[in-house]
Amino acid sequence: AQSVTQPDIHITVSEGASLELRCNYSYGATPYLFWYVQSPGQGLQLLLKYFSGDTLVQGIKGFEAEFKRSQSSFNLRKPSVHWSDAAEYFCAVRLASYDKVIFGPGTSLSVIP
Amino acid sequence: GAGVSQSPRYKVAKRGQDVALRCDPISGHVSLFWYQQALGQGPEFLTYFQNEAQLDKSGLPSDRFFAERPEGSVSTLKIQRTQQEDSAVYLCASSLELADLRVDIQYFGAGTRLSVL
Repeated sequence: AQSVTQPDIHITVSEGASLELRCNYSYGATPYLFWYVQSPGQGLQLLLKYFSGDTLVQGIKGFEAEFKRSQSSFNLRKPSVHWSDAAEYFCAVRLASYDKVIFGPGTSLSVIP
Repeated sequence: GAGVSQSPRYKVAKRGQDVALRCDPISGHVSLFWYQQALGQGPEFLTYFQNEAQLDKSGLPSDRFFAERPEGSVSTLKIQRTQQEDSAVYLCASSLELADLRVDIQYFGAGTRLSVL
């Protein structure tokens, strides 16, 4: 079945530590790929997106993501996590222009001092 | 305003009551999407408008859900005879709808949290 999966429901990291959030998709063709962040009571904010070309994409707030076609993955990374990064992170896809966004189930990130 | 505005932010309804949720998209945005986000889950698509035309309503869970965008700007999501399973955050998003997704972005509102008692 076509889907977006995020294997980790919840992750806890120490402030200053590195972070990697996993995302896999199962679609016949490579979709457009996104990462969104949602803080409590806030709307979804786009962190970064991938369409084609360079497989390492840079986003806002120091985040980056790497697209690996062979693994159907689009993992989000950050070298050093800040306490303000605690939030819910959603991997998402769009299959075409003028199309809805399909979200994964989300990974909740907690940051400890 | 500068962003997508949704009202009310919170709505408590008694089971069986009708509710109306409003979305003010960013001015000039052609596309408008509604999503439903249940607790602990990712948002799920409900319906899509291009200007005033509702082009996709495949995600609406039942005929109790109805959405409109009569003048191609503000949109209202109406839920009739609310049930407890309708409790969720309802998110609205808008975009310019450019063919090139490298520059087209969906901007999300903060959502309306609906609690049905």
